[in-house]
Amino acid sequence: AQSVSQHNHHVILSEAASLELGCNYSYGGTVNLFWYVQYPGQHLQLLLKYFSGDPLVKGIKGFEAEFIKSKFSFNLRKPSVQWSDTAEYFCAVTAGNNDMRFGAGTRLTVKP
Amino acid sequence: SQTIHQWPATLVQPVGSPLSLECTVEGTSNPNLYWYRQAAGRGLQLLFYSVGIGQISSEVPQNLSASRPQDRQFILSSKKLLLSDSGFYLCAWSRGQGGDEQFFGPGTRLTVL
Repeated sequence: AQSVSQHNHHVILSEAASLELGCNYSYGGTVNLFWYVQYPGQHLQLLLKYFSGDPLVKGIKGFEAEFIKSKFSFNLRKPSVQWSDTAEYFCAVTAGNNDMRFGAGTRLTVKP
Repeated sequence: SQTIHQWPATLVQPVGSPLSLECTVEGTSNPNLYWYRQAAGRGLQLLFYSVGIGQISSEVPQNLSASRPQDRQFILSSKKLLLSDSGFYLCAWSRGQGGDEQFFGPGTRLTVL
């Protein structure tokens, strides 16, 4: 069965620092990839998604992610974080079916 | 636009009592519907999904069941709650194509005492 690994459980950064959150998945076929964010007290919402095409995907709020097929990775990046980026981030994968697998999540704390 | 509602927002129930959590979606038809449980440090665990009225797929054997009595209504139930059923339950919907983006509700915090 497919699985998703997020290696960083809690990341603490200062404002303006660069961010990279790792996501690796285990599935050999075609996949759809997602990053979701959950701000404190809010719904899970989609940051960005990759289905096909350009492996560098741009999302909302200045986030981007790069799909590297050979590494089974879909890391999330942001060049300069803000205090308002404090949230929990989830990577998710589907293999074209209804079974979406989520990583354990990475809690990001940005210090002002 | 589409919206998804869950209620109640919070619930405290004694062990052995029944459970009914409701999820409804507005602004779309024939959605796929999902129930997840979110546990701290463990991400989201898919419990059930449904591709149509009366069609339920269970991902994890457990003390819970799901039903879809109407196209845009998804209910999570239990006849007798266990302490281990405590958690944060999320409902989500997606369009009919498999593997598409899912849209999440606000969740229900269930505490079983």
